[in-house]
Amino acid sequence: KNQVEQSPQSLIILEGKNCTLQCNYTVSPFSNLRWYKQDTGRGPVSLTIMTFSENTKSNGRYTATLDADTKQSSLHITASQLSDSASYICVVRETGGGNKLTFGTGTQLKVEL
Amino acid sequence: DSGVTQTPKHLITATGQRVTLRCSPRSGDLSVYWYQQSLDQGLQFLIQYYNGEERAKGNILERFSAQQFPDLHSELNLSSLELGDSALYFCASGGVNTGELFFGEGSRLTVL
Repeated sequence: KNQVEQSPQSLIILEGKNCTLQCNYTVSPFSNLRWYKQDTGRGPVSLTIMTFSENTKSNGRYTATLDADTKQSSLHITASQLSDSASYICVVRETGGGNKLTFGTGTQLKVEL
Repeated sequence: DSGVTQTPKHLITATGQRVTLRCSPRSGDLSVYWYQQSLDQGLQFLIQYYNGEERAKGNILERFSAQQFPDLHSELNLSSLELGDSALYFCASGGVNTGELFFGEGSRLTVL
């Protein structure tokens, strides 16, 4: 069964600090992996996409990594801001038609002063 | 603004009632997805439509049904509502090629 597991479940950090969120998946065959940010009560928004051949990709203070061999991805947030407080969701897509997606349950990040 | 429109934004109703949630996808998107998110829970996939036809079904209860109309808007019907149906219901549309989903702002359903 295709699964996406994220850790930690929740995280509290001080403003200005860095943090790393983890995503492990068993989805196969693999097409791509996306990280979404979901602010409380809002719809998720895509942060970055990782394909099989990509190891690292940055989007501002967000840096995603992918190890397709170990089926692991991470999202690193640098110099955190209060506005980074949100749920971060890892979503893995299978190859083939139908756009089959498997969602992780997310990591709830809270950035405090 | 994702380009996906959901109505109503908020809905309060009583147990046993029936409600309809509406979604207009982004211009040009043929796929519509429905998700349920209960308090402090992850997104639960309910159902996907592609160009008017059901494409995939997730953990959707028999009391729930959906359809996609010729103009590509979609409706999610929830009937015989229970307290546990209280949740945020998200609609998303997306590029079938890239897999990116664009989510609406959600419809918050409260069942009293």
